Amino acid sequence: DGGITQSPKYLFRKEGQNVTLSCEQNLNHDAMYWYRQDPGQGLRLIYYSQIVNDFQKGDIAEGYSVSREKKESFPLTVTSAQKNPTAFYLCASSIRADGELFFGEGSRLTVL
Amino acid sequence: GQQLNQSPQSMFIQEGEDVSMNCTSSSIFNTWLWYKQDPGEGPVLLIALYKAGELTSNGRLTAQFGITRKDSFLNISASIPSDVGIYFCAGNYGGSQGNLIFGKGTKLSVKP
Repeated sequence: DGGITQSPKYLFRKEGQNVTLSCEQNLNHDAMYWYRQDPGQGLRLIYYSQIVNDFQKGDIAEGYSVSREKKESFPLTVTSAQKNPTAFYLCASSIRADGELFFGEGSRLTVL
Repeated sequence: GQQLNQSPQSMFIQEGEDVSMNCTSSSIFNTWLWYKQDPGEGPVLLIALYKAGELTSNGRLTAQFGITRKDSFLNISASIPSDVGIYFCAGNYGGSQGNLIFGKGTKLSVKP
């Protein structure tokens, strides 16, 4: 079935460690996105990519990094520089830059 | 910066009742999207609106793109227990999804 797969679903990390969240899509979508969700908040854009080998910072990119080496994959690294990394992370894709977003099931990161 | 106000923040209703929620923006939007999110899952697209005045239905759900292009509403008729969740509006003020803004959500609770 076509869709967006995020892994892992749950992740625990010690302070000072980097962690990478995986996002894979088989929808043949050009654009991919990473959002952060905190309780009672809307979704905030971290990074987005409209084409392979290109990506743009969103509203809250500090402490995060991404790569887009393949159309299907858009991994997000939460670095030790991110001061408050505990959150629910959502990956999304769209067929074009202004199209509808389709989301993965999310990854919950907890920093101990 | 761009702001999107979604109301109400939460609703407690009886099964069978109708529900209405809305979003207003400080700027003109080109697109309005409505999503539903279940706990611990990613948002699922319910309705997409692309033209001012557009009224679109999806089963018991109806959404409209306001004439001023600064607002949208979502109605749910004859609510059922599985309607429980958080409903998000999202608006796009530019050609790129980097310009997509999410409301903070309306949490819907339905009493059987």
